[in-house]
Amino acid sequence: RKEVEQDPGPFNVPEGATVAFNCTYSNSASQSFFWYRQDCRKEPKLLMSVYSSGNEDGRFTAQLNRASQYISLLIRDSKLSDSATYLCVVTGTSYDKVIFGPGTSLSVIP
Amino acid sequence: DAGVTQSPTHLIKTRGQQVTLRCSPKSGHDTVSWYQQALGQGPQFIFQYYEEEERQRGNFPDRFSGHQFPNYSSELNVNALLLGDSALYLCASSLALSINTEAFFGQGTRLTVV
Repeated sequence: RKEVEQDPGPFNVPEGATVAFNCTYSNSASQSFFWYRQDCRKEPKLLMSVYSSGNEDGRFTAQLNRASQYISLLIRDSKLSDSATYLCVVTGTSYDKVIFGPGTSLSVIP
Repeated sequence: DAGVTQSPTHLIKTRGQQVTLRCSPKSGHDTVSWYQQALGQGPQFIFQYYEEEERQRGNFPDRFSGHQFPNYSSELNVNALLLGDSALYLCASSLALSINTEAFFGQGTRLTVV
């Protein structure tokens, strides 16, 4: 089993739609969780951290379920500019490696 | 405040050659991680350096080696290049001893092996 797995995608949604991505991780000792966004041929950039209590940033909501070892990202009112690949990231202790999921591609269509 | 810088941005090498990629971390960061990202894939962890030592390593052969200097900058060396080594190589810096550490990425070096 891979350490971090994501919905394979791609997701093609119309503008204004709500879309949700899921990510599962295998190491129950994992401590920190993030969603990164990567535009085509660019480097990944942090979208948001994921906390046990869940967190929201504008149209984006991230949730963590430790018991089931999964993370989700919800995007409401999708914009064309949301088109990108979304990478789920999991890390352990401060010296541990940061593991990326394979990414889920989102295309928002006019 | 300069972010993570990588050099060169693009590189073309021939099979069997050796290559060295360079990375300067974000100011104040002491940990450097290297990733290989093939087209259409997520970044794959190669290794991580902290205090000039390799701390963690992913599933990459010994042809991939690295180094971290006292100023925290780092190099990735790949020997005996294969066509399959063609990829975007990303360097990420972070701060050790920080649980919720955010990794900042450089723009990457795109390596093409012909």
